Amino acid sequence: QKEVEQDPGPLSVPEGAIVSLNCTYSNSAFQYFMWYRQYSRKGPELLMYTYSSGNKEDGRFTAQVDKSSKYISLFIRDSQPSDSATYLCAMSAPGGYNKLIFGAGTRLAVHP
Amino acid sequence: DGGITQSPKYLFRKEGQNVTLSCEQNLNHDAMYWYRQDPGQGLRLIYYSQIVNDFQKGDIAEGYSVSREKKESFPLTVTSAQKNPTAFYLCASSIPGQGETLDGYTFGSGTRLTVV
Repeated sequence: QKEVEQDPGPLSVPEGAIVSLNCTYSNSAFQYFMWYRQYSRKGPELLMYTYSSGNKEDGRFTAQVDKSSKYISLFIRDSQPSDSATYLCAMSAPGGYNKLIFGAGTRLAVHP
Repeated sequence: DGGITQSPKYLFRKEGQNVTLSCEQNLNHDAMYWYRQDPGQGLRLIYYSQIVNDFQKGDIAEGYSVSREKKESFPLTVTSAQKNPTAFYLCASSIPGQGETLDGYTFGSGTRLTVV
């Protein structure tokens, strides 16, 4: 079993839809949770990060962490064609150097 | 502008040939990383370096080699021992300890390597 599971999609939605992207994980030591966005033929860029449980909002994006269920989500409201990209979750444990573990990435297409 | 530059963007390798991928950063980051990305898989760590003249193997180091002689540079050599090298290679950098917690990694635009 992989440490981080993420449905690769693809996910296709109409413009204006609410998008929900999710990852599950198995390592209960993970405390730091990140979402990266990767456009085609580009490197990933950090979109949001959260520490431990709870919600974090930034404009149209909301990140949620449910540590009891080992489940994290990224919600995109009022989705735009420019949101079309691959979204990767990543997480790490505290203490020393603990590498980031990435999910497989979910490919999202928002069509006008 | 600060960032990471990877070159070349596309690279073709013949069977049995070694090739070197370049990664340069001007962010003054101590830590640098090499990842491999294959369709449907997450980023897999090849090598990482927390400081100049020191580097560690990641999860899939076999068939690859690196050097870290300068803070700004972390080249990756794909050797002939790597049996399935066709992939998208990403270089990243960060402030040690903060990349995994607060600031994330800064990635380059990648090099697509194809075996011909």
